[in-house]
Formats: sequence, C-alpha cells, structure tokens
Amino acid sequence: QSVLTQPPSASGTPGQRVTISCSGGNSNVGNNAVHWYQQFPGAAPRLLTYYNDQRPSGVPDRFSGSKSGTSASLAISGLQSEDEADYYCAAWDDRLNGLLFGGGTKLTVL
Amino acid sequence: EVQLVESGGGLVQPGKSLRLSCAASGFTFSTYWMTWVRQAPGKGLEWVATIKQDGSTKYYGDSVKGRFTISRDNAKGSLYLQLDSLKFEDTGVYFCARRVGRALCDYWGLGTLVTVSS
Repeated sequence: QSVLTQPPSASGTPGQRVTISCSGGNSNVGNNAVHWYQQFPGAAPRLLTYYNDQRPSGVPDRFSGSKSGTSASLAISGLQSEDEADYYCAAWDDRLNGLLFGGGTKLTVL
Repeated sequence: EVQLVESGGGLVQPGKSLRLSCAASGFTFSTYWMTWVRQAPGKGLEWVATIKQDGSTKYYGDSVKGRFTISRDNAKGSLYLQLDSLKFEDTGVYFCARRVGRALCDYWGLGTLVTVSS
C-alpha cells in the first residue's frame, strides 16, 4: 500500500477533461514538490510535470499539475486516445528519507 | 542525446546474487545523482536506491536495505546495482534514471528484467 494515494482507475471520453488526484501527508506532498510520470505498457516512465506545475519541453499543454496542502492533481484536458496510459505521482518523504511513488492510476479513454 | 541502457538481468534462484549495470551516455555522468527504480509485473513503480555524484552518499528503500548495494564508476559512465539474498518479491523490471531533484528523474532507461524463481 503506497503512502501516496491515487485512484486505481480513471476514464473519460475524447475531448473531455480528466483529473487524477494524489493524496499524501505533511512529510511528503505537504513539504516537497510533486512530480507526475506517464507510462505506457512495456515502456519506461516519462516525466510529465515537475515541481508541482511545470512542464518539460515536448509535453503538450493539455497536461497540467497542481498542488494544495497535502494533495496534488494532474489534469488532462482535451483527452485523446493516445493519453491512455498509467500515471504516477512522486514526492520525496522527509521522514522516510526516500522517494515515494503513488500506486498509479490507469487512464482509459472510452 | 541522453541514453541510459540497463543490462545484467536474468533468471536467478532465491538467495542468489545478480549485478545490474546501467551505461550512460549523452551527458556528463559524473555531475548527476542517479537512481534505480523497479516495477513488479503488473504493479506500480517502487524506488530502490539513489547515489550521489561522487558515490559518497547512498539512499535505499526499506525493502532492499541491507541486501542491495548501489555504486557507480564515473570514469566508465556506469551505474551498478548489486542484488544479494534475492527474494521472489524482487522480481521485476529494474530501471535506471538520471536524478535532477529529490524525487525527480528526467531520463529513464528501458529497464532490465530480473526474475527470481526456483
């Protein structure tokens, strides 16, 4: 069971806006930056957003991250079929002195 | 172009050892922290270990502490993970990643599969 809690699944239709949540505590999300990774089956994770709300070059602006208190969110607007993947949040934990990943959310585009 | 290529995975019996390697290219390896992350079949990502640029500081996940050892050879541009006293639950794909923040990895390799089975 992950310390960072994500819903196991999410879904939406093309064009819709979908939000994936990541809930933690004061020692991780509450006190450190949150990053989001996208992973397709059989592939390596890809950095999607970093330092809560920044986007690496090459990532469409349809993807946006946010954080408030001990919770963070990844929003995907204008949903496309190619967005169907697993999404993971990550944050450092000061108490464990280690990197935590959320359990992952499988996004299905209906 | 940044490239990370893992190798060394395979089938190994419980209690045995394995050494994974990650060959880095396309960036100045000696100036970056590096990290290993693993993924059990059908499961999520799990952080394994992280090492500082000069190898002087290392962090380990609780599930591997005392059994796995992370190391690096900056002259060769290589990262290593020594896996000892392997358990069934160590089975999975092991990724190496370039760390640019405490939980932030910007480049990942394709991974190498470790299967622990009798």
